[in-house]
Amino acid sequence: DGGITQSPKYLFRKEGQNVTLSCEQNLNHDAMYWYRQDPGQGLRLIYYSQIVNDFQKGDIAEGYSVSREKKESFPLTVTSAQKNPTAFYLCASSMALGTEAFFGQGTRLTVV
Amino acid sequence: KQEVTQIPAALSVPEGENLVLNCSFTDSAIYNLQWFRQDPGKGLTSLLLIQSSQREQTSGRLNASLDKSSGRSTLYIAASQPGDSATYLCAGNTDKLIFGTGTRLQVFP
Repeated sequence: DGGITQSPKYLFRKEGQNVTLSCEQNLNHDAMYWYRQDPGQGLRLIYYSQIVNDFQKGDIAEGYSVSREKKESFPLTVTSAQKNPTAFYLCASSMALGTEAFFGQGTRLTVV
Repeated sequence: KQEVTQIPAALSVPEGENLVLNCSFTDSAIYNLQWFRQDPGKGLTSLLLIQSSQREQTSGRLNASLDKSSGRSTLYIAASQPGDSATYLCAGNTDKLIFGTGTRLQVFP
């Protein structure tokens, strides 16, 4: 079944800890994206990757890091430097930058 | 910098009504515009994609139009149903998607 899989669905983090959110796609897409969604706000771009071993900062990259070692995987690490990490995180992919995007089901991160 | 605005922010209608959701964007240099649906606590489902060279796209009861010169897109939902209740998001696409804040739609029986 083709699609984008995000895991886990829910994640709890203690203050000061780093956590990594997983995003895997089997659509053979080159481009992948991470967005953050807060209540009452639109989606904001954290990082995006055009191709393997390449990624670019989005509008709110501070406190986050990514890697793109494999075409199908684009994990996001939320570091302790991110001051307000509690949010809903969405991963997306597309054939190339600027083409139709498809989203995963999201990971809800809560800092406890 | 691209900015996307959606009006109205919320809409509540009885079943059977025809609806128009509005989306405006500031940068007309988009490759395409995409409409999504989001159910509470879920990811985004792609509804329609309109290429910059197109004027409209249709899928079932949904019709989306695009006017690049005026920076506007509309999503038309015909004969609304309670199952259409969700948040609808539009996004202008250059190298990445820039989203509006959405229209929360409730269709009651």
